Order: sequence, then C-alpha cells, then structure tokens
Amino acid sequence: GAGVSQTPSNKVTEKGKYVELRCDPISGHTALYWYRQSLGQGPEFLIYFQGTGAADDSGLPNDRFFAVRPEGSVSTLKIQRTERGDSAVYLCASSPQTEETQYFGPGTRLLVL
Amino acid sequence: SQKIEQNSEALNIQEGKTATLTCNYTNYSPAYLQWYRQDPGRGPVFLLLIRENEKEKRKERLKVTFDTTLKQSLFHITASQPADSATYLCASGSGGSYIPTFGRGTSLIVHP
Repeated sequence: GAGVSQTPSNKVTEKGKYVELRCDPISGHTALYWYRQSLGQGPEFLIYFQGTGAADDSGLPNDRFFAVRPEGSVSTLKIQRTERGDSAVYLCASSPQTEETQYFGPGTRLLVL
Repeated sequence: SQKIEQNSEALNIQEGKTATLTCNYTNYSPAYLQWYRQDPGRGPVFLLLIRENEKEKRKERLKVTFDTTLKQSLFHITASQPADSATYLCASGSGGSYIPTFGRGTSLIVHP
C-alpha cells in the first residue's frame, strides 16, 4: 500500500515568509508525528497528533510553528516569519494507535534564504 | 536530562564482516529501544524494536541487544553487504510513550 507522503519535497523561501508543509499519513493510522532533522543530527520531535487533536506539542520551538490535522488524516505544519535557522528537513511519520513503530515520509527540505 | 548517544564517527568495514553499532543512554531507563535505517535524502525506515525485559532480538541478518546494566544497545549486521551502507539511528522511548528520542545516528560504510 501507499506509504507516508509529504509535499513539497523541496521548498526554498525567503526570510520572513510563511510556509506550509503537508503530510499524508498511511490510511488508517491515527497517530501522526512531525520531526525536524538538521544535517548530521537525528530527528527532533516537534508535535504529535492522536486523531484530530495535538496530544503533545512540547517540541514546537516557538509560536511561529503551528500544525493542524482537522479531519484526523492529512496534517499541515505551518511556519510563520521564517528564519534562516528554520532550514532543515521536516519529517512526518504515522503509526497505528497502539504501536511504537513509526513509518516515515521522505521529508520536505526547507531552505530559508 | 535524557540523553541517547551514538558514535558520530563513521564505521568502515569490509564486505562479509559483522558490523556492530552502539547506542548508549544516560539519566533514564527507557522501556524500549528502536533501530532505524536512513539513506541519504530519505526518511528513516524501522528495523527492530527491543523492550527492556528482552535481552536480544533477531531479524534475518540483524540482531539487537539491550543491556540495562551497561545502559547500552548493540546493533549487529552479520555478513554485511555494500547495500547495508546507510546511517543507522537509535531511538528510545519511555513506557506508555509513543514519542521516541532519536540519537544522531552512525554512518556505516561497507566496502566491497
């Protein structure tokens, strides 16, 4: 079956702009996660959804970052007033409700100039 | 604070040998450890999960151990192949938590 998909695969923007990153999880997976990965580092947790609600958003670095999952499927990560330090790969993962295993998408490479 | 550490230096081995990667954790006792493989430009792919009450887990050429005394997990790939070359990520989680903490990963390079 289809895996986790993320769009766009690459995004170049200018400092101060607003960006939206989209994640389509595996059908039927109730849990959805967003991570950020910098070069040479492991994925860093941002936010976790169980269904439509954010069960844990403790990893969001500041209030410029926001994520939604209005229908419990597709999720959008929104970054306002982007800064050069936001440049990274943004990974999305999903899993069935009671599994620790996570299924990752290919990531969106964000470059803020 | 919780820390999970992996050797940042790349591991270079010859084809056919066993590769052994190390993951150490400090300041907490995870309920489970996971290993993922990540290829350049791709997302991590789950390989194995081992729980705190398990000593060893195997899957084909892969073996993972969990030593709660040493606070360490070892990940072995036997009969390694050039296609095994990738970055391997260790992740740990607490009981009841589905949010793992990832290490920075170790790059494995298998030479033909």
